[in-house]
Amino acid sequence: DGGITQSPKYLFRKEGQNVTLSCEQNLNHDAMYWYRQDPGQGLRLIYYSQIVNDFQKGDIAEGYSVSREKKESFPLTVTSAQKNPTAFYLCASSITGGPRDTQYFGPGTRLTVL
Amino acid sequence: QKEVEQNSGPLSVPEGAIASLNCTYSDRVSQSFFWYRQYSGKSPELIMSIYSNGDKEDGRFTAQLNKASQYVSLLIRDSQPSDSATYLCAVNMFGSSASKIIFGSGTRLSIRP
Repeated sequence: DGGITQSPKYLFRKEGQNVTLSCEQNLNHDAMYWYRQDPGQGLRLIYYSQIVNDFQKGDIAEGYSVSREKKESFPLTVTSAQKNPTAFYLCASSITGGPRDTQYFGPGTRLTVL
Repeated sequence: QKEVEQNSGPLSVPEGAIASLNCTYSDRVSQSFFWYRQYSGKSPELIMSIYSNGDKEDGRFTAQLNKASQYVSLLIRDSQPSDSATYLCAVNMFGSSASKIIFGSGTRLSIRP
């Protein structure tokens, strides 16, 4: 089955901790994205990558970091510098990242700070 | 002014009727437009993409695009209770890479039996 997987589904973090959210795709897509969704709001782009070993900041990158060592994987680390990390995190991928690309989403990770 | 605007709803439509969802956008050079459906607690799933002015039909869904008016809409015919969800409009701004897709905050649709 081709698709995008994210783990864990739910994640609880204590203040001051870094946590890493996993995103894996077997669609052979070049481009991958991380979004954050807060209740009643649209998706906001955190980071994106169009090629292995390269990534760019989105609109709300502060307090987050990513890596893209493999085409299939784009993990997101939420650092202690992120002041309000409680949100629904969505990973997406698209074929090339071109202007007509459609983005497909994984099931999401719900992060709660205790 | 928000870049992509949607009425938050809720929009309540009787079962079997046509649901009409609307979206306006601010960038005149936008080239790609998408409608996603998102059930509560789930991730968005693509319903339709549209790139040219006019209508595009897929089953019970029709997307309508009017670039001159900077307006894109989604019609759902023969609405079913399973259509109750939040519908996100997404626009690729500036005609550049897919990283420039801006999502609206969504319209909550409720189909009443």
